Amino acid sequence: QLHLQESGPGLVKPSETLSLTCTVSVDSVTSSSYYWGWIRQPPGKGLEWIGTVYHSGTTYKNPSLASRITMSVDTSTNQFSLKLTSVTAADTAFYFCARVNRWSASGSFDSWGQGTLVTVSS
Amino acid sequence: QSVLTQPPSVSGAPGQRVTISCTGGDSNIGTAYDVHWYQHLQGLGPKLLIYGNNIRPSGVPDRFSASKSGTSASLAISGLQPEDEGDYYCQSYDKSLGGAVVFGGGTKLTVL
Repeated sequence: QLHLQESGPGLVKPSETLSLTCTVSVDSVTSSSYYWGWIRQPPGKGLEWIGTVYHSGTTYKNPSLASRITMSVDTSTNQFSLKLTSVTAADTAFYFCARVNRWSASGSFDSWGQGTLVTVSS
Repeated sequence: QSVLTQPPSVSGAPGQRVTISCTGGDSNIGTAYDVHWYQHLQGLGPKLLIYGNNIRPSGVPDRFSASKSGTSASLAISGLQPEDEGDYYCQSYDKSLGGAVVFGGGTKLTVL
């Protein structure tokens, strides 16, 4: 069964860069069937899409965050990653990684990590 | 403010049926874009409940069903069970945002 696990610092200082990694078990990040996505949820609020990355390096980003986002896939470790620059308190959230199933689930996020809380504070 | 509008909360007694609406517009649900639904229980990652407007993934009980019409979609849960209590989100894509993924604001389901 596919397993995704987020990892990274739980505390980031304002103006610094938030860096998270998602480790994928069972599936390969190089599979042509999948994209890999990041979604966040500020405490007490709803889900917000951050962006999606394909193993080729193609990325799709939330227009409101695009200028601060970098996403990549590391095929040697079967991981994908997110960097969000110039963070503020508004970036405090639970961050989830997820698999996008291109074909058999109509492009939905069909498997999710459990999430990791990132707090932006000095 | 979310592109897709959901009621903040719904409730029902065990065994009852509830529906959750998801209202969009001509640039998202009103296009050919699919609507997907997720269940988010406390302490867990969200779970795909419905994809492609009305298709249940393997393992999702047939108590969960969904539909799409015009610029709206809806999720129905019949035979409510206490373990259904949690948050439910609709998701689609928005043409005016370059095909960006958009979520509804979420609906908190309380099983009375």
